[in-house]
Amino acid sequence: NAGVTQTPKFQVLKTGQSMTLQCAQDMNHEYMSWYRQDPGMGLRLIHYSVGAGITDQGEVPNGYNVSRSTTEDFPLRLLSAAPSQTSVYFCASHQGIEQFFGPGTRLTVL
Amino acid sequence: GDSVTQMEGPVTLSEEAFLTINCTYTATGYPSLFWYVQYPGEGLQLLLKATKADDKGSNKGFEATYRKETTSFHLEKGSVQVSDSAVYFCALRISMEYGNKLVFGAGTILRVKS
Repeated sequence: NAGVTQTPKFQVLKTGQSMTLQCAQDMNHEYMSWYRQDPGMGLRLIHYSVGAGITDQGEVPNGYNVSRSTTEDFPLRLLSAAPSQTSVYFCASHQGIEQFFGPGTRLTVL
Repeated sequence: GDSVTQMEGPVTLSEEAFLTINCTYTATGYPSLFWYVQYPGEGLQLLLKATKADDKGSNKGFEATYRKETTSFHLEKGSVQVSDSAVYFCALRISMEYGNKLVFGAGTILRVKS
């Protein structure tokens, strides 16, 4: 039981490049979320999903796209990276009260 | 809106010292409250939780009591160890139409010296 996995662990992009952060969970959880962590600001919700085919925006969705074609996977897409998107990104899943977090992806946009 | 405020760090303590990290919240209704811990280079792990007023969450020697009257959920440990060095996040859970989301405080860095 791997829990929540994320790839890559580290990534450096140039402004304007696109990329996809991968997230997968093997706990059969319906609910999955993406958060970003910035110094002094805690974690903020980017997008979330309540099941395959259903997604919605969180607090800071601009510049990010998501889709959920399977229960297991919830990728986060950056279409045109900006320096303001330099952050640590965490994927989480839950079915009950407790959310389970992945190890994070540290993204730097130059 | 819903928010969490926790004391700024870093907090630096000697081994076996007493730890308190303050956390207060603003929310409508009675949210569930959590403390998460993030060890260096790792993701967040649930440390403890409380789901209603006067509940005490506890784990690994850490405790926190849900105080509705002061809207607080302070984290305490009687004797810290070097291995407790980490970032601690206070969070509240907001129920949505489907599922729930967490609102986090800014995090408090704890450094324990031997």
